[in-house]
Amino acid sequence: DVKVTQSSRYLVKRTGEKVFLECVQDMDHENMFWYRQDPGLGLRLIYFSYDVKMKEKGDIPEGYSVSREKKERFSLILESASTNQTSMYLCASSLVTKWGGYTFGSGTRLTVV
Amino acid sequence: QQPVQSPQAVILREGEDAVINCSSSKALYSVHWYRQKHGEAPVFLMILLKGGEQKGHDKISASFNEKKQQSSLYLTASQLSYSGTYFCGTEGNAGNMLTFGGGTRLMVKP
Repeated sequence: DVKVTQSSRYLVKRTGEKVFLECVQDMDHENMFWYRQDPGLGLRLIYFSYDVKMKEKGDIPEGYSVSREKKERFSLILESASTNQTSMYLCASSLVTKWGGYTFGSGTRLTVV
Repeated sequence: QQPVQSPQAVILREGEDAVINCSSSKALYSVHWYRQKHGEAPVFLMILLKGGEQKGHDKISASFNEKKQQSSLYLTASQLSYSGTYFCGTEGNAGNMLTFGGGTRLMVKP
């Protein structure tokens, strides 16, 4: 089975800190995604990447950046964490086929204080 | 723009049926359905493509009305294990990212 692993399950950071969320997938998927999940709002796309060093902005990229130096790893960076970035962050990956269902990681619950 | 899911929540008894709807304001290439149990990652259930193809879970069925940009997920003879939050994700063009709805919380009681 495809596995998507997020490095931390829970994180607590201070306002203004630079925060790195790491995601690794082990099945050679081309596409990788970062979503944030908030109650009542579903999953909102922050960034996605369809290849190494390639990235596209999603619906809510402000305050975030990403890095994809290797195919299996996709990092989300909060340049200067703010309290409104407190959320559950989900990483996902998929193949580039018409049947490309997403495989999600277990999520990182980030609290910014 | 996010697709709209309805209902927002539903409570069933074991063995009852449910329908969850997903409606988009734009033309769609595909619709995905996922289920998320509390504290866990969303899990892929089904994908429905423009043109009628579909692939996914053998105990759950779904439909896709391309003209209305609507999809429905049918949960028949529900089991306790069906409890969770269901999300639809819509794709406007092949190869684009999914836009997810707000979710439908389903609770199945004994």
